[in-house]
Amino acid sequence: SAVISQKPSRDICQRGTSLTIQCQVDSQVTMMFWYRQQPGQSLTLIATANQGSEATYESGFVIDKFPISRPNLTFSTLTVSNMSPEDSSIYLCSAKSRDRLSGNTIYFGEGSWLTVV
Amino acid sequence: KQEVTQIPAALSVPEGENLVLNCSFTDSAIYNLQWFRQDPGKGLTSLLLIQSSQREQTSGRLNASLDKSSGRSTLYIAASQPGDSATYLCAAGKTSYDKVIFGPGTSLSVIP
Repeated sequence: SAVISQKPSRDICQRGTSLTIQCQVDSQVTMMFWYRQQPGQSLTLIATANQGSEATYESGFVIDKFPISRPNLTFSTLTVSNMSPEDSSIYLCSAKSRDRLSGNTIYFGEGSWLTVV
Repeated sequence: KQEVTQIPAALSVPEGENLVLNCSFTDSAIYNLQWFRQDPGKGLTSLLLIQSSQREQTSGRLNASLDKSSGRSTLYIAASQPGDSATYLCAAGKTSYDKVIFGPGTSLSVIP
């Protein structure tokens, strides 16, 4: 299994500012993802974080708004830029390994709950 | 395009009852299906993972089944307890190196 740590766990942010969320995995994983979960909603994939290259964004999400880094196999960051109240959500980091032992189980961090005021 | 649905959206049962949560997916060409639990304001905890070649997985009071041909998976919870109250989500993966698609979740409340 993999243990995923995210920080901050919770923050209140001013409109127009940017915040970077960090995600650390305790083992090397092949894939890392960033999800958003708006209040009362299910998870929406923002992007796949690729090691050493630009992230792959889903429809409706762009790099200027959600820049993502993944400098190595165990760490990634997501920045929420120029925040507005509509960005108030839980942001979740997840990871999976492409190996037989884990069976491609996906693991999640505890999430970062952002409130934009 | 894969779409995942879950019914019911919410469920309230008295403690001790056995219950079934349903998950449906439109594209049967899945690699695996995973069930998660989410407590309010928290991240997701993996409960069970079923590979496409498997028909079911069991962990304690939980049993998940998979029927690819009909595009369905069920999560069976035996002898429910108040601590089982949470939102349960299923997610379908198309390949081992691809993203997964989540269902909207079923909110379960077990009444003491």
